[in-house]
Amino acid sequence: TQLLEQSPQFLSIQEGENLTVYCNSSSVFSSLQWYRQEPGEGPVLLVTVVTGGEVKKLKRLTFQFGDARKDSSLHITAAQPGDTGLYLCAAGLTNRDDKIIFGKGTRLHILP
Amino acid sequence: DADVTQTPRNRITKTGKRIMLECSQTKGHDRMYWYRQDPGLGLRLIYYSFDVKDINKGEISDGYSVSRQAQAKFSLSLESAIPNQTALYFCATSGGGTILEQYFGPGTRLTVT
Repeated sequence: TQLLEQSPQFLSIQEGENLTVYCNSSSVFSSLQWYRQEPGEGPVLLVTVVTGGEVKKLKRLTFQFGDARKDSSLHITAAQPGDTGLYLCAAGLTNRDDKIIFGKGTRLHILP
Repeated sequence: DADVTQTPRNRITKTGKRIMLECSQTKGHDRMYWYRQDPGLGLRLIYYSFDVKDINKGEISDGYSVSRQAQAKFSLSLESAIPNQTALYFCATSGGGTILEQYFGPGTRLTVT
C-alpha cells in the first residue's frame, strides 16, 4: 500500500515565523497536490506540481517537488493567522490515472 | 454559487436507517468521488465514477453504495447505517487528464446514534 507521510502532524507557531511541512513517500508519483482545509469546509486546492525539482510560489507559500518525485515540501514565510488550517498533500500514482491518495495532514495553528 | 454542492450538510440518524447523501456539480467534470474523513485517518476514498456507466470501488466501499444519476449528480447511500459510519463525507470532482486535481464540496457531517 502506497502511503503519504506528512510531518509534523501538528504545528503551532507565532505570527511572523517561518515554517516548513513535509510530505514523503517511498513511491514515485506522477503529480502531487497541496490542499488547505478550514473547519467546516472541504479541502481547497492550493497547487499542483508535476516535474521533479519543480518549485511553485503562491504569495508567501513555496511548494517544492522532490527531484525523484517521491516527496514534497511546503514552506510558509512570515506566517499569519489566516494560514491556520489543515494542510493535506495528495498524489497520483504513476501506474494509475483514476484516483489519488491523501496524506493525513498537518494541522497548523498560527498564534496572533 | 458553489461549483460542488452537497445535501444535507448535517444529519443525525439512528442505527439501521437508510440514508442518502447527494452531490451536484456545475463544473462539467466527468469524474466524481466520495470520501470520508475521520480524525487521525485522513481522507479515504469510498467510491468513484468516471461517467454515468462507470462506477468503481475505493478502499472502504463496504456498507456503502452509489448512484450516478447524471454527469452532474452522484449520490452515496448507507443502506443500514451503523455508528462507525459517523464521519465527515465529502464529494469531489475532477476534470480529465492524469493530474486529477480534486474540487470538493462543503461536506456532510453524519452522526449515527
